[in-house]
Amino acid sequence: SQKIEQNSEALNIQEGKTATLTCNYTNYSPAYLQWYRQDPGRGPVFLLLIRENEKEKRKERLKVTFDTTLKQSLFHITASQPADSATYLCANPGRAGANNLFFGTGTRLTVIP
Amino acid sequence: EAQVTQNPRYLITVTGKKLTVTCSQNMNHEYMSWYRQDPGLGLRQIYYSMNVEVTDKGDVPEGYKVSRKEKRNFPLILESPSPNQTSLYFCASSLLGANEKLFFGSGTQLSVL
Repeated sequence: SQKIEQNSEALNIQEGKTATLTCNYTNYSPAYLQWYRQDPGRGPVFLLLIRENEKEKRKERLKVTFDTTLKQSLFHITASQPADSATYLCANPGRAGANNLFFGTGTRLTVIP
Repeated sequence: EAQVTQNPRYLITVTGKKLTVTCSQNMNHEYMSWYRQDPGLGLRQIYYSMNVEVTDKGDVPEGYKVSRKEKRNFPLILESPSPNQTSLYFCASSLLGANEKLFFGSGTQLSVL
């Protein structure tokens, strides 16, 4: 099955800086990647989806890149704020057409005022 | 308000006592899925359903049952719960499948003693 690795379990950054989170996958090359935000005790909330033919996707202060050669996605939050503190999950379906999303274990981001 | 509703939010039970966790969505979504989340393991799919009367196993289906008799409801049934099923459970739905953004419920924290 697909394996998703989010390299950093935790990341602390200063307010105003850019946070960069990494997601690596093995085995299957997915047709797309998704990123979710999860707050303690809550369900994940969808943030962005990037497809294999898209190098970059943006939404407000968020940017996602997808490098199929490196088998990696980077998730950036620019001008970070304390309210951005949460756990961020990446997910992809593994093989094409699969109806299962494989999730990484997440990176817990803390933005320090 | 568009949402996925899970009940109960917290549940403590004993080994072998059958239980059902309910899940309902009001967005007319075709696809519904159950995940469990455990520390260090991330979210893992239990079962999913592409439509009414169509269900399939995810990665960790052992010890669980589901049914999809109506489009909006997707209950998770534990016929004989065991302590290793102590976990945080999430129901999720999307319009057509896992290749679209998932909407998650608030979660059910289950403890099996």
